[in-house]
Amino acid sequence: DAGVIQSPRHEVTEMGQEVTLRCKPISGHDYLFWYRQTMMRGLELLIYFNNNVPIDDSGMPEDRFSAKMPNASFSTLKIQPSEPRDSAVYFCASSFGQGAWEGYTFGSGTRLTVV
Amino acid sequence: AQSVTQLGSHVSVSEGALVLLRCNYSSSVPPYLFWYVQYPNQGLQLLLKYTTGATLVKGINGFEAEFKKSETSFHLTKPSAHMSDAAEYFCAVGGGTSYGKLTFGQGTILTVHP
Repeated sequence: DAGVIQSPRHEVTEMGQEVTLRCKPISGHDYLFWYRQTMMRGLELLIYFNNNVPIDDSGMPEDRFSAKMPNASFSTLKIQPSEPRDSAVYFCASSFGQGAWEGYTFGSGTRLTVV
Repeated sequence: AQSVTQLGSHVSVSEGALVLLRCNYSSSVPPYLFWYVQYPNQGLQLLLKYTTGATLVKGINGFEAEFKKSETSFHLTKPSAHMSDAAEYFCAVGGGTSYGKLTFGQGTILTVHP
């Protein structure tokens, strides 16, 4: 299995532009999580899905952030418009079954820089 | 609500020395506990987990952790540090009504000196 695949690995964009991060979970996993990691705030859970349905989006910072999971093999996290404070590493993770019980498999992350 | 506290944001050891990374958790329900490792410019990788059963859990790369309910702790240890163990380590807790969601600690950066 190729693991959780995220793209792009690096993204540099100008303030105000739209940014779309992509994730392909492990086949058969039914939970998908989006995390953001910064030096100041550590790992923050933004949103997670179960069977493609958003379960908890309370971690999404504001309306500029949105996430979708149109099918079991693809999810996107969109920021529109982007701001410098959105600069961070964004991780996608997936899990099978009751996610907390099995542990997550993380992707390699997307390093976002907003200038 | 669940929470995790990792004591010490930085730990430094000599190669061959004991590694001890501390994790305390708070949970109103039986917890599921995890340790993850993150190498530079990589995602987090599962080291070991405790769900039920034996309280001493062995993981990859010679690491182990012991669940101590009375102390609400899940400390990570390795008898002899190797240079390749240098990384950031995260403790996480889940269970109960978290419905698949893990809560992570702030991380501990382990430095290994020759």
